[in-house]
Amino acid sequence: RKEVEQDPGPFNVPEGATVAFNCTYSNSASQSFFWYRQDCRKEPKLLMSVYSSGNEDGRFTAQLNRASQYISLLIRDSKLSDSATYLCVVNMEEMNTGFQKLVFGTGTRLLVSP
Amino acid sequence: EADIYQTPRYLVIGTGKKITLECSQTMGHDKMYWYQQDPGMELHLIHYSYGVNSTEKGDLSSESTVSRIRTEHFPLTLESARPSHTSQYLCASRGPGSLNEQFFGPGTRLTVL
Repeated sequence: RKEVEQDPGPFNVPEGATVAFNCTYSNSASQSFFWYRQDCRKEPKLLMSVYSSGNEDGRFTAQLNRASQYISLLIRDSKLSDSATYLCVVNMEEMNTGFQKLVFGTGTRLLVSP
Repeated sequence: EADIYQTPRYLVIGTGKKITLECSQTMGHDKMYWYQQDPGMELHLIHYSYGVNSTEKGDLSSESTVSRIRTEHFPLTLESARPSHTSQYLCASRGPGSLNEQFFGPGTRLTVL
């Protein structure tokens, strides 16, 4: 089982639609979570961190459910410029070394059409 | 914009050549990483470093090697490039603490003929 699992999509939605992505993670000890955005042939960039109480940044809302080990990202009023791959990212600590590393999901591809 | 740089951005090279991909950051980050990503595929961690003189293998086995002689510099070397090494290589760095953002460089797109 992968440490971070996402539906690869693609999700095809019209402009103005609301779309939600989900992600599950395997390590119950994980403490921090993020959504990154990656445009085609570009490097990933942080979209938002995910806090325990849920958080919102403009049209984007992130939720965390620790009991189910589940993270979500909701995008309201989709824009053409939202077309990208959204990567679910979980911070994990290596058992032997204590080294903190980010584990990336495969990403969910979003295509917003006019 | 993140202060992390990679050179070259694009490299086309013949089989058997030795290559070094450069990565540098000016943020003073101790933790640095190398990822490999094929088009449309997920990121794979191939190397990481806690700090100067620390290097570790990542989750994906790679024939490349890395060094960390200075905090700001984390080069990746392939002694003898092969077509199977064709991929995008992304360097990243991160500050202390689990809540900190990880910054990526723009990547090096390597093609081995």
